[in-house]
Amino acid sequence: RKEVEQDPGPFNVPEGATVAFNCTYSNSASQSFFWYRQDCRKEPKLLMSVYSSGNEDGRFTAQLNRASQYISLLIRDSKLSDSATYLCVVNLATDKLIFGTGTRLQVFP
Amino acid sequence: DVKVTQSSRYLVKRTGEKVFLECVQDMDHENMFWYRQDPGLGLRLIYFSYDVKMKEKGDIPEGYSVSREKKERFSLILESASTNQTSMYLCASSLYGTGRDTQYFGPGTRLTVL
Repeated sequence: RKEVEQDPGPFNVPEGATVAFNCTYSNSASQSFFWYRQDCRKEPKLLMSVYSSGNEDGRFTAQLNRASQYISLLIRDSKLSDSATYLCVVNLATDKLIFGTGTRLQVFP
Repeated sequence: DVKVTQSSRYLVKRTGEKVFLECVQDMDHENMFWYRQDPGLGLRLIYFSYDVKMKEKGDIPEGYSVSREKKERFSLILESASTNQTSMYLCASSLYGTGRDTQYFGPGTRLTVL
């Protein structure tokens, strides 16, 4: 079983739609959680950290469910510029991050 | 603004050649990382370094070595390139090694080994 699993997509949604991605992790000792965004042929960049209480940044909301070991990302009012691959990332209280393979989002006009 | 640069965007080498990939960060970060990214496999950690002259193996170190002689520079070396090392190589750095830190990535080097 992969340490971090994501639905690869693609998720094809119209502008203005709400879309949600889930990610599951296998190690219950995982301590830190993140969503990174990677545009086509570009490097990954941090989108947001995920906190136990859930957190919001504009149109983006991240949630963590430790009991079920999953993380979610909700994007409201999708924009064309949101088209990218979203990487779920987990840390085991070490220096190493474990990356999921990513979920691809395509927003169309 | 954090900047991580990599020496080449695209590189083509022949099987058996020695390959050097260079990475430089300008923010005085302690930790530096080398990953490779392949379709369907995501980012996999090759090596990382938490201090000058220190290195730790990641998940897939076989066939690679690294060098960190200066804090800002972290080099990945393929001693004898093979076709299965064709990949996108990404360097990253972070300020501390707590795992809670943001990792900042360079633009990547797409290496093709013929």
